[in-house]
Amino acid sequence: AQKITQTQPGMFVQEKEAVTLDCTYDTSDQSYGLFWYKQPSSGEMIFLIYQGSYDEQNATEGRYSLNFQKARKSANLVISASQLGDSAMYFCAMREGRISNFGNEKLTFGTGTRLTIIP
Amino acid sequence: KAGVTQTPRYLIKTRGQQVTLSCSPISGHRSVSWYQQTPGQGLQFLFEYFSETQRNKGNFPGRFSGRQFSNSRSEMNVSTLELGDSALYLCASSSDPGTSGYEQYFGPGTRLTVT
Repeated sequence: AQKITQTQPGMFVQEKEAVTLDCTYDTSDQSYGLFWYKQPSSGEMIFLIYQGSYDEQNATEGRYSLNFQKARKSANLVISASQLGDSAMYFCAMREGRISNFGNEKLTFGTGTRLTIIP
Repeated sequence: KAGVTQTPRYLIKTRGQQVTLSCSPISGHRSVSWYQQTPGQGLQFLFEYFSETQRNKGNFPGRFSGRQFSNSRSEMNVSTLELGDSALYLCASSSDPGTSGYEQYFGPGTRLTVT
């Protein structure tokens, strides 16, 4: 069963606009973590943002914020004021289990969204 | 501090050969995970090592193996290469959350081409 779903294969956004990349997940664990990674054409996976299932506040990192809606099992990435350098593949991923019980660092990834910023 | 490093970055091998890829985690990180990325299958988990022990294994044939050394560096080996093994192999290292907070970062990957 697919655990991470990214329904937008590709998106085109005008430079300086905000963009929301969708991610829904499925897990029976109460403790889990959600990640977003950016993968430019070079191939490197760049960590953007992390949200723990028990975190009460939505995570933010600079221009990135995570819109975490636990009841809906969604963890959408919001990029404010998009830039040309934001053009890349974006992956949502989930780690199941408590972070405090360090073990099982396996991430399950979605299929990704290719974001293209238009000048 | 230095990021995750992977060597080599690019590799071309012939079907039937074997290959060894190396990953050095971020200093202080003790867990190393490996992933295979292909256009058809996406990102798939291979295995994870912590303190020289394999803790988790994905659904890959026995031709895929790995190990971790006492300095947390890890290697993965693929024997009897097949054309379908052509992929980007990514390594990720994770911190122990009891120390400085939880992190999981990836290296630049090794792009393997099997001909």
